[in-house]
Amino acid sequence: DAGVIQSPRHEVTEMGQEVTLRCKPISGHNSLFWYRQTMMRGLELLIYFNNNVPIDDSGMPEDRFSAKMPNASFSTLKIQPSEPRDSAVYFCASSKEAGVGGANVLTFGAGSRLTVL
Amino acid sequence: RKEVEQDPGPFNVPEGATVAFNCTYSNSASQSFFWYRQDCRKEPKLLMSVYSSGNEDGRFTAQLNRASQYISLLIRDSKLSDSATYLCVVPADRGSTLGRLYFGRGTQLTVWP
Repeated sequence: DAGVIQSPRHEVTEMGQEVTLRCKPISGHNSLFWYRQTMMRGLELLIYFNNNVPIDDSGMPEDRFSAKMPNASFSTLKIQPSEPRDSAVYFCASSKEAGVGGANVLTFGAGSRLTVL
Repeated sequence: RKEVEQDPGPFNVPEGATVAFNCTYSNSASQSFFWYRQDCRKEPKLLMSVYSSGNEDGRFTAQLNRASQYISLLIRDSKLSDSATYLCVVPADRGSTLGRLYFGRGTQLTVWP
C-alpha cells in the first residue's frame, strides 16, 4: 500500500498567487481530512469528507480556502489568493469509517510545506 | 478550557530513563483516545490507541483516568529513537462514528546518550 500521497511536497509562491494542494487517500478509506500545522497553532482540522461529501468545513479559515473531493481517490485544497500567513505544512489524512462507538484512526500523508512570500 | 491540553515540554532524559506525559481533555463523553508520534519534519503516526482504562505495548503504557479526564503515556527504558513529539488526540463527541479529532500541541521528548 502506497499510503496517503500528497503533492507537491514543497511549494514556494508569492502573495496573491493561487495554490493547489493534492491528495490521494489510501484505497478503501472513505474519510479524508485536511489539516494545517504551524508552530503557533499546532494541528488544525480544516475540513473533512466522508464518502466524498464534505461533512465539516468549520475549520476552513476563510473564503480564500476551498476543498473538493470529486471522487474517492482524489482531493484538492485550494488557496486563492494566497497570503504569507497561509505558510504552513498542510497534511492530508484518510481513514476507514470506524465501527459503532469507535473513532477514526488516521493515516497521514507526508505533507505539503507551503511558503508564501 | 481547550478540548485537549498537553505539557509542551521539552523533556530531556538520558537513555534508559522512564518518562511520562499527561494530557487533559474537556469532553467527558469521549470514548476512545490516541497517542500519535511525530518526528521532526515528518507526518504524525499512530503510536497507540487508548480504550477502557488503558493498555500496554512493549515499553509504552497508556492510561486513561475518566474521572479526572486525563490520559498519560509512560515510556520505559527510553531509547535515542524515542526522541520525537508526542501528540495526544481526543475525538469530538458527535453521537456518530465520524467526527473531528482534536490534537494536542504535542510534548517534545529528547533522549540523550
